[in-house]
Amino acid sequence: QQQVKQSPQSLIVQKGGIPIINCAYENTAFDYFPWYQQFPGKGPALLIAIRPDVSEKKEGRFTISFNKSAKQFSLHIMDSQPGDSATYFCAARKRGGKLIFGQGTELSVKP
Amino acid sequence: EAQVTQNPRYLITVTGKKLTVTCSQNMNHEYMSWYRQDPGLGLRQIYYSMNVEVTDKGDVPEGYKVSRKEKRNFPLILESPSPNQTSLYFCASGHYGVTDTQYFGPGTRLTVL
Repeated sequence: QQQVKQSPQSLIVQKGGIPIINCAYENTAFDYFPWYQQFPGKGPALLIAIRPDVSEKKEGRFTISFNKSAKQFSLHIMDSQPGDSATYFCAARKRGGKLIFGQGTELSVKP
Repeated sequence: EAQVTQNPRYLITVTGKKLTVTCSQNMNHEYMSWYRQDPGLGLRQIYYSMNVEVTDKGDVPEGYKVSRKEKRNFPLILESPSPNQTSLYFCASGHYGVTDTQYFGPGTRLTVL
């Protein structure tokens, strides 16, 4: 069963647009919610992460919004650039180390 | 240079022939993990280890074995590979705690014929 559901599967935006990627989770035992960015041919790299006691976290152009009651969290990319074109994964970690990823979103930012 | 290394990077094998994919990290991380990545399914955790001699199953452990005899190494063993284990495999390591970040290796592309 998929405990973390990510949408959309793919996303195309124009340069300067604000792509939003959404994730929903089922298990309230998750204690850490990271987002990873993956470029073709590379391993994923941590982009930004949030804990459930915080509703928003911003790092540069990347913002996570977290809604604990709705069990949803999302990634916003402000002023998106072609270099942001990559696959993005949300994830949720259970206490004890088990990490569950979403299915991934392939983002394309057009010049 | 701080890194996670995997070997081999590419491997084509046949059904039933035992293989090992090595993973090594030089960052003194306690936590190490193996994932497989398949189109449309994202990354799925196979096994993880919180420290030496401590391993736990992830979401898709069937058909795989791991061991953690040393802190820096976490090999993935396929005793009898099958075609459904054809995938892209990633090893990762990190510190487990308040600000844990996992660092991923470059990946191993495995094809089982």
